[in-house]
Amino acid sequence: QVQLEESGGGVVQPGRSLRLSCAASGFTFTTYVMYWVRQAPGQGLEWVAVISDDGSKQFYRDSVRGRFTISRDNSENTLYLQMNSLRGEDTAVYYCVRGVGGYCSTTSCYHWFDPWGQGTLVTVSS
Amino acid sequence: DIVMTQSPDSLPVSLGERATINCKSSQSLLYRSDNKNYLAWYQQKPGQPPKLLIYWASTRESGVPDRFSGSGSGTDFTLIISSLQAEDVAVYYCQQYYSSPPTFGQGTRVEIK
Repeated sequence: QVQLEESGGGVVQPGRSLRLSCAASGFTFTTYVMYWVRQAPGQGLEWVAVISDDGSKQFYRDSVRGRFTISRDNSENTLYLQMNSLRGEDTAVYYCVRGVGGYCSTTSCYHWFDPWGQGTLVTVSS
Repeated sequence: DIVMTQSPDSLPVSLGERATINCKSSQSLLYRSDNKNYLAWYQQKPGQPPKLLIYWASTRESGVPDRFSGSGSGTDFTLIISSLQAEDVAVYYCQQYYSSPPTFGQGTRVEIK
């Protein structure tokens, strides 16, 4: 079955870096756009970043652009999120999510999300 | 950004009764060229990730019980649980994928009355 498994979360001081990974299985990873979506404790859902199926396009929410980098290794069926200069407001559960049913243009991507990984908690605190 | 507003924030419903959740978008989600509404619904149970229930505003995902239904067009949408079961206790979110960035409603918590 389709599975997404995140890893790499933890407690990190403000200004430091962390790299999240997401191992995908059960589907043809190379044909899907992939997203990171986060959820702050007790809060709602917020899109973070998206990468096209071939990795040639990446888009970010304004608050993380220039600090976060989404990438993928299609030979290893793995999605990554490199997070630099972390801030307290980045504290959240980060979900790896497959984009379905839509497309990417030159400026953005448009999908609903299915499935979601179990998530990995990132806590930014001194 | 398109703002998604759900109502109510919390919804107590008796077992077997109907639950109705509303979602309003700040601009139309109807794409004229394909006559589709770019809206999805998700269910998030405590301690779990969200699960897709409905896309294109009214298409039920495979395996989702038929007591869940979605309707609406343009800026106003509704998720209905026709007969609430204990396992339906969760937070429900709408999400638009009409424009970037994709945005979610704030969530509606469904609980047993």
